Amino acid sequence: NAGVTQTPKFQVLKTGQSMTLQCAQDMNHNSMYWYRQDPGMGLRLIYYSASEGTTDKGEVPNGYNVSRLNKREFSLRLESAAPSQTSVYFCASSELPGGNQPQHFGDGTRLSIL
Amino acid sequence: KNEVEQSPQNLTAQEGEFITINCSYSVGISALHWLQQHPGGGIVSLFMLSSGKKKHGRLIATINIQEKHSSLHITASHPRDSAVYICAAGPGTYKYIFGTGTRLKVLA
Repeated sequence: NAGVTQTPKFQVLKTGQSMTLQCAQDMNHNSMYWYRQDPGMGLRLIYYSASEGTTDKGEVPNGYNVSRLNKREFSLRLESAAPSQTSVYFCASSELPGGNQPQHFGDGTRLSIL
Repeated sequence: KNEVEQSPQNLTAQEGEFITINCSYSVGISALHWLQQHPGGGIVSLFMLSSGKKKHGRLIATINIQEKHSSLHITASHPRDSAVYICAAGPGTYKYIFGTGTRLKVLA
């Protein structure tokens, strides 16, 4: 039972390059989330998908796009990477949306933009 | 002022000590979450609380809704407890509001 799987685990990009971070969950959860974690700051929500077929902006959506490909998969795309997007990215899922739902996290993707 | 404040930011303890990490929040919540992040980076949910107290092994979490305060206690601490502990407030909406974490190091 893998839970939430993120790929890749590490990536180095040059400014202006594009890439997609992949996330898949095998718990049949309805809701999925993308966060970024920066030193000295709490996790911040980039985008979320309350259910299959819906996506919404979180606190820090600028420079990112997302796709809820199906119930299992939720990808995050950087169209033109910038050094400010250097961060650790976490995908999470929960059975239902809401602050009273436990979220299950992936192991993170460490992304460096040069 | 952050909506979720944790203290202390860093904590070093000797093996066997009783540890307390505090979390204060200023928003209305439907639940309060405690998470653990190990040096490898993965994040694991420890507790979800809406009232009272929960216990799992050597970990105890309490919440006082009136005072908007929660504590995470670790009894008989062990070096394997070394991690970052994150408090997150769960309002009624879709999102969590995260604290910045408490970095705990337990020395053998």
